[in-house]
Amino acid sequence: DTEVTQTPKHLVMGMTNKKSLKCEQHMGHRAMYWYKQKAKKPPELMFVYSYEKLSINESVPSRFSPECPNSSLLNLHLHALQPEDSALYLCASSPGLAGASSEQFFGPGTRLTVL
Amino acid sequence: DAKTTQPNSMESNEEEPVHLPCNHSTISGTDYIHWYRQLPSQGPEYVIHGLTSNVNNRMASLAIAEDRKSSTLILHRATLRDAAVYYCILRASGSARQLTFGSGTQLTVLP
Repeated sequence: DTEVTQTPKHLVMGMTNKKSLKCEQHMGHRAMYWYKQKAKKPPELMFVYSYEKLSINESVPSRFSPECPNSSLLNLHLHALQPEDSALYLCASSPGLAGASSEQFFGPGTRLTVL
Repeated sequence: DAKTTQPNSMESNEEEPVHLPCNHSTISGTDYIHWYRQLPSQGPEYVIHGLTSNVNNRMASLAIAEDRKSSTLILHRATLRDAAVYYCILRASGSARQLTFGSGTQLTVLP
């Protein structure tokens, strides 16, 4: 199984809502990532987890809260978002963190719209 | 991370080879050259990577200049399914460097 799955595919939420994005992989990878991609722009790294611990936070606002409950699962909790947070949120995984030759596997993304 | 420069867009005819260039004049000796592509409405997909020597896999070939300041991704026979944004990315070795995507090249394949 070389797949990264993300749910939901689409999400519409108001600025006062709390919602969560879910990402799952069963490849035994120990590093997992959240990226944000605005329309017509390249993906931008948000968070990196390694062995279920937060390794990198790219100065992301606290209204985005990541969580890695186990080695296969990565969540992104959303609260009090702004309309400018509307974007495609991509999850990725890789066997490990270090290793410049390591490939990342991406999920299809969750298309988030904040009203 | 060192920067890469790619053309914004390229066109190719179906079943013809495509050469996608990437300039990386500030590349360091330990930077790997990675290529990813993103098909419409999908997440990015790994294509190929290399360090110094040319590389081939089932998807593409990577030709790396002798001075490593540029590289070319070669799709040997473009199909309509190859229409995507192609990203050339440098990754430093020996550290937890992540993928920093540049603006990429939008490849259009004409039937």
